[in-house]
Amino acid sequence: RKEVEQDPGPFNVPEGATVAFNCTYSNSASQSFFWYRQDCRKEPKLLMSVYSSGNEDGRFTAQLNRASQYISLLIRDSKLSDSATYLCVVNRGGFKTIFGAGTRLFVKA
Amino acid sequence: GAGVSQSPSNKVTEKGKDVELRCDPISGHTALYWYRQSLGQGLEFLIYFQGNSAPDKSGLPSDRFSAERTGGSVSTLTIQRTQQEDSAVYLCASSLTSGGQETQYFGPGTRLLVL
Repeated sequence: RKEVEQDPGPFNVPEGATVAFNCTYSNSASQSFFWYRQDCRKEPKLLMSVYSSGNEDGRFTAQLNRASQYISLLIRDSKLSDSATYLCVVNRGGFKTIFGAGTRLFVKA
Repeated sequence: GAGVSQSPSNKVTEKGKDVELRCDPISGHTALYWYRQSLGQGLEFLIYFQGNSAPDKSGLPSDRFSAERTGGSVSTLTIQRTQQEDSAVYLCASSLTSGGQETQYFGPGTRLLVL
């Protein structure tokens, strides 16, 4: 079993839709959580950190459920430019960062 | 300011040849990471540097892979006697420190194709 698991998708949604991704992690000692975005043939870039109380950045909302060991990303009012692969990232402390394989999102006009 | 840079951007080599991949991290970043990403796959951790030291080399796939970092800055990943399964995108990232909350900034990657 992978330490960080994501539904690979793809998720195909129309513009304006709300879409949610989940990610599960197996190591209960994990300390920090992030969502990165990776465009086709580009490098990953930080989208947002995920805090215990949940956090929001514009149309994006991230949630953490430590008891069930999953994190989620909600995207409201999807834009064409949101089309990308979304990587769930978990840090065990220090340098040890584990990247999920990513969830692909296609937003269509 | 300048981001993480990597060279070459693309490398085509023949099986059995050695290759060197270079990473220039963001100035002042003490932590540097190498990852490998195969087509359609997630990022596979290879090695991490804190300053010039590599406390964890466990991610290196085989003894054909080695890496060094000099002056707390530039890092080189060397693959000896390349095999076709080494074909992938090699990504380098740096962060200000190695703390778990630090953002990792990635370079554009080196696309390696072993024929």
